[in-house]
Amino acid sequence: EPEVTQTPSHQVTQMGQEVILRCVPISNHLYFYWYRQILGQKVEFLVSFYNNEISEKSEIFDDQFSVERPDGSNFTLKIRSTKLEDSAMYFCASNQQGDGYTFGSGTRLTVV
Amino acid sequence: AQKITQTQPGMFVQEKEAVTLDCTYDTSDPSYGLFWYKQPSSGEMIFLIYQGSYDQQNATEGRYSLNFQKARKSANLVISASQLGDSAMYFCAMREGAGGTSYGKLTFGQGTILTVHP
Repeated sequence: EPEVTQTPSHQVTQMGQEVILRCVPISNHLYFYWYRQILGQKVEFLVSFYNNEISEKSEIFDDQFSVERPDGSNFTLKIRSTKLEDSAMYFCASNQQGDGYTFGSGTRLTVV
Repeated sequence: AQKITQTQPGMFVQEKEAVTLDCTYDTSDPSYGLFWYKQPSSGEMIFLIYQGSYDQQNATEGRYSLNFQKARKSANLVISASQLGDSAMYFCAMREGAGGTSYGKLTFGQGTILTVHP
C-alpha cells in the first residue's frame, strides 16, 4: 500500500528558530496538504498545493509559514520563526482525483 | 457555525458490541464528501470510510458502515463487533467541492474518543 512519508517524526526546536518539516507524498498524487493538530484538539487545515502553487490556505497559514515542492518527490512546510503556540502535530496528506486522502504519520513539533 | 459537529466527546462500548459515533455537518454545496478517520494513540490518521453526497447507498467497509441521512445532514459511523484495537479517537471530516471533484481541504470535527472494554 502506497504511503505518505514524513520526517522527522519528532522535532524539538527553540523559539524563534526556523524549522522545515518534510513529506514525500504518494508518487502519482497531484494534490498536497498540510494540517495541524494541537494536542488533544481537532485537526486544522493549513494549506493545499497543486501544480506548484498554493491553491488554498487558512487563516493560520500566515507569513511565518511557507510550502515548497523543491523536486519531484518532496513537499516541505517551513516555519520561519517558531513560537510556543506552533507546538503541534503536523500532518502531510496527498490525494488524486478519484482517490481518498492519505495522511502521513505526522511530525510532532515541540517549541521550547 | 461549525461545519462538522461531533457531539460525543467520549464513548464506551463492550467488546463485540456495535457502537455508533455521531456526526452532523453543515454545507450549502450540493456536492460534498464525508470521511471518517481513526487516530490511535500512536497519532497517525487512518482512513476508514467515505460517503459521497450523491451516493445512493450507505457506504460499508468491513466492520465499518456509514449511516448517511442526507436530509438530516448526518453521517454517523457504525462499528460492528467492536474489538479492543478499535479504542482510538475518531474524526468525521467533510470536503466541499463542485462537480464531483475529489480534491480540496478537509474540515474536521472535534473527534470522539472510543474506548472498548473487554
